[in-house]
Amino acid sequence: AQKITQTQPGMFVQEKEAVTLDCTYDTSDPSYGLFWYKQPSSGEMIFLIYQGSYDQQNATEGRYSLNFQKARKSANLVISASQLGDSAMYFCAMREGRGGSQGNLIFGKGTKLSVKP
Amino acid sequence: DAGVTQSPTHLIKTRGQQVTLRCSPISGHKSVSWYQQVLGQGPQFIFQYYEKEERGRGNFPDRFSARQFPNYSSELNVNALLLGDSALYLCASSRPGRQGVIYEQYFGPGTRLTVT
Repeated sequence: AQKITQTQPGMFVQEKEAVTLDCTYDTSDPSYGLFWYKQPSSGEMIFLIYQGSYDQQNATEGRYSLNFQKARKSANLVISASQLGDSAMYFCAMREGRGGSQGNLIFGKGTKLSVKP
Repeated sequence: DAGVTQSPTHLIKTRGQQVTLRCSPISGHKSVSWYQQVLGQGPQFIFQYYEKEERGRGNFPDRFSARQFPNYSSELNVNALLLGDSALYLCASSRPGRQGVIYEQYFGPGTRLTVT
């Protein structure tokens, strides 16, 4: 079974509008972390935002926020006021607490976001 | 501060050859992980090294090996290359942490390997 599911292969959004990228996860570990990365066409994975399983509040980083619904096992990324430079692949990833800080990242298949002028 | 660096940027090899990819972590980071990303997919975990010891290994054949040096830099070696090994190879580093503490991983620009 997939541990990270991103159901939107591609998304379009108008410049300056908000967009939500979906991510659901599956784990039995009570301690885990959820991450979102952006990958432009250049290939580098850029860290955007992190949410810990015990964090009470949703994470925010500038225009990025993570809508964390633990009971539903979802961790959607919200990008406000989209910019043309936001066009890229977006990956949701999870790191389980088992194994401590040595746990590896498990990635979803990604969502390609295209921002229209 | 410099980010994660990887070399070379691009590489073209033929089937059966061997390749070595290199990675230098962010200063102060002791954990290095390697990922393979084939076109159209998310990265797949290959290895993790922490304090020069292998701490995790993904579902990859023994043709893949890695090591970490005293300065925390790392090498990934792939022997007997196959066409299917063509991919972007990403290295990531993270801060040292306690058991159960999770830190974000920072990625390098990757090495794009093409096997012909």
